[in-house]
Amino acid sequence: GAVVSQHPSRVICKSGTSVKIECRSLDFQATTMFWYRQFPKQSLMLMATSNEGSKATYEQGVEKDKFLINHASLTLSTLTVTSAHPEDSSFYICSARVIRTGTPYGEQYFGPGTRLTVT
Amino acid sequence: AQKITQTQPGMFVQEKEAVTLDCTYDTSDPSYGLFWYKQPSSGEMIFLIYQGSYDQQNATEGRYSLNFQKARKSANLVISASQLGDSAMYFCAMREGLSGANSKLTFGKGITLSVRP
Repeated sequence: GAVVSQHPSRVICKSGTSVKIECRSLDFQATTMFWYRQFPKQSLMLMATSNEGSKATYEQGVEKDKFLINHASLTLSTLTVTSAHPEDSSFYICSARVIRTGTPYGEQYFGPGTRLTVT
Repeated sequence: AQKITQTQPGMFVQEKEAVTLDCTYDTSDPSYGLFWYKQPSSGEMIFLIYQGSYDQQNATEGRYSLNFQKARKSANLVISASQLGDSAMYFCAMREGLSGANSKLTFGKGITLSVRP
């Protein structure tokens, strides 16, 4: 299967600072990238959907000014948590989708996640 | 209404035995896909199996099979010959309107599976 990487895997930052998380599709060009947030022992909640060169589409309740998404190329998307607060501490997972011949549903691959702790 | 329902709070199975993880879904879209993912404690999401709404046969992938009952809107995952490494959180997910590149994957709450030696 295809590989999606995330960097960093773990980050601790102080309240009020900003943190950038990178998501890369290593061996394929992603049609679409998604950002999820997951609290301990809970499900993945979709935060936003992004396409290369376009503005991200945010889910209801997600602050677009707080969670800045940039999708600079077909292989790179970044999520910046601005002015982070302790309640932003969570596990952030990116996912990349590619539509290939023979897979009409599109294959979606997940990154390993980034654990953010805001102190 | 929830689109994906996983009500089993936690499951235990003896090593080498089979286990069924339940999933029901709700959609009015005739074109949809059902997915199962495994999430071990490391956090990575591992794709296990896919079932399309138009697929005539139940999907199988190695030790994983999907018991797809369209009329009941259920898509239960069956793991045969459980292994200790199967201990993880399992998520059922659905994508409606498969042809849309931006169509969303909606996840259930997940089920924790513990395999006993």
